[in-house]
Amino acid sequence: GAVVSQHPSWVICKSGTSVKIECRSLDFQATTMFWYRQFPKQSLMLMATSNEGSKATYEQGVEKDKFLINHASLTLSTLTVTSAHPEDSSFYICGVARDNNEQFFGPGTRLTVL
Amino acid sequence: AQRVTQPEKLLSVFKGAPVELKCNYSYSGSPELFWYVQYSRQCLQLLLRHISRESIKGFTADLNKGETSFHLKKPFAQEEDSAMYYCALGSGNTGKLIFGQGTTLQVKP
Repeated sequence: GAVVSQHPSWVICKSGTSVKIECRSLDFQATTMFWYRQFPKQSLMLMATSNEGSKATYEQGVEKDKFLINHASLTLSTLTVTSAHPEDSSFYICGVARDNNEQFFGPGTRLTVL
Repeated sequence: AQRVTQPEKLLSVFKGAPVELKCNYSYSGSPELFWYVQYSRQCLQLLLRHISRESIKGFTADLNKGETSFHLKKPFAQEEDSAMYYCALGSGNTGKLIFGQGTTLQVKP
């Protein structure tokens, strides 16, 4: 399977700051990556589909200006939470899809906004 | 609407007992269904998918289109099976996955 890394694994920031989370596909060139959000004891919710070289596709209810996605290369997608607030505290997970629709997931990033 | 439902948040069984984790879906097209597992402090990983029709770690899942279900079964649970299990629906050719709420399986010694 594909190896996916995320950085940082845990971040704590003050309210109002911006936080960038990186997702890397280490052994596979991914034209498409997915960003999920997971609240405690809840399921993963798809936030957006990150497309290499083009704009991300956001799910309904997800603010694109709040969650900036950049997929500049086939191995890297970044999610920036702009002006983070405590309600943005969550676990963010990226997924990398292979051609057969099988997804591989990163270890996740825990964001805590104070 | 596309939806995946896992009715049980927690399933607790004794070692050696049979296990069935329920999953029902709602999808207008031809569904592609997956089971993912997340062990403690590990990444979410694919357990099995319906098109491969294989048994992984003793688990099987059969797609029942009539009942719109994809229940995960294992005849004899092991302690190492304790984990969080997610049923997921593949959405067309986009690669997107829609996840169920997840079921925590607890296998007691």
